[in-house]
Amino acid sequence: QKEVEQDPGPLSVPEGAIVSLNCTYSNSAFQYFMWYRQYSRKGPELLMYTYSSGNKEDGRFTAQVDKSSKYISLFIRDSQPSDSATYLCAMSAGGYQKVTFGTGTKLQVIP
Amino acid sequence: DTEVTQTPKHLVMGMTNKKSLKCEQHMGHRAMYWYKQKAKKPPELMFVYSYEKLSINESVPSRFSPECPNSSLLNLHLHALQPEDSALYLCASSNGDNEQFFGPGTRLTVL
Repeated sequence: QKEVEQDPGPLSVPEGAIVSLNCTYSNSAFQYFMWYRQYSRKGPELLMYTYSSGNKEDGRFTAQVDKSSKYISLFIRDSQPSDSATYLCAMSAGGYQKVTFGTGTKLQVIP
Repeated sequence: DTEVTQTPKHLVMGMTNKKSLKCEQHMGHRAMYWYKQKAKKPPELMFVYSYEKLSINESVPSRFSPECPNSSLLNLHLHALQPEDSALYLCASSNGDNEQFFGPGTRLTVL
């Protein structure tokens, strides 16, 4: 079993839809949770960063962490064609430890 | 400034060449990372430097040699690479909270 599981997609949605991206994990030591957006042939861009459980909102993006279920989500409201990218979840136990990535979900927002 | 810069953007090298990748950050981060990313895969950790000392080496072949001259700079020296080493090489930096910021990457092709 992988430490972090993420559905690779692809996920296709119409413009304006609400997108839900999810990851599950098995390591109880994970405390820091991140979502990255990566466009083709570019470096990952940090979208959301959350410590421990709870919700965090930034514009059209909302990150949720449920440590009891070992489940994290990223919601994108009013999705735009420019949101078409691969979304990677990532998590770590903190300090200068290894960050473990999900495999990424490829999202396509259709105009 | 949340920018990590990497040079060169693209690199083509033969199997007998010696080349270096460079990474720089001015966010005052004390940890810097090298990742390798193949197409349609998540970033794969290679090395971690914390406080300018190598703290994690993910069993990377010796043809890859990292160097951290100071807290802002990170190099990756390449020698006698194989065609399968062709990939996007990503540099990242963070503080102890693991909020990692990535550079744009160097796209390496080994002929």
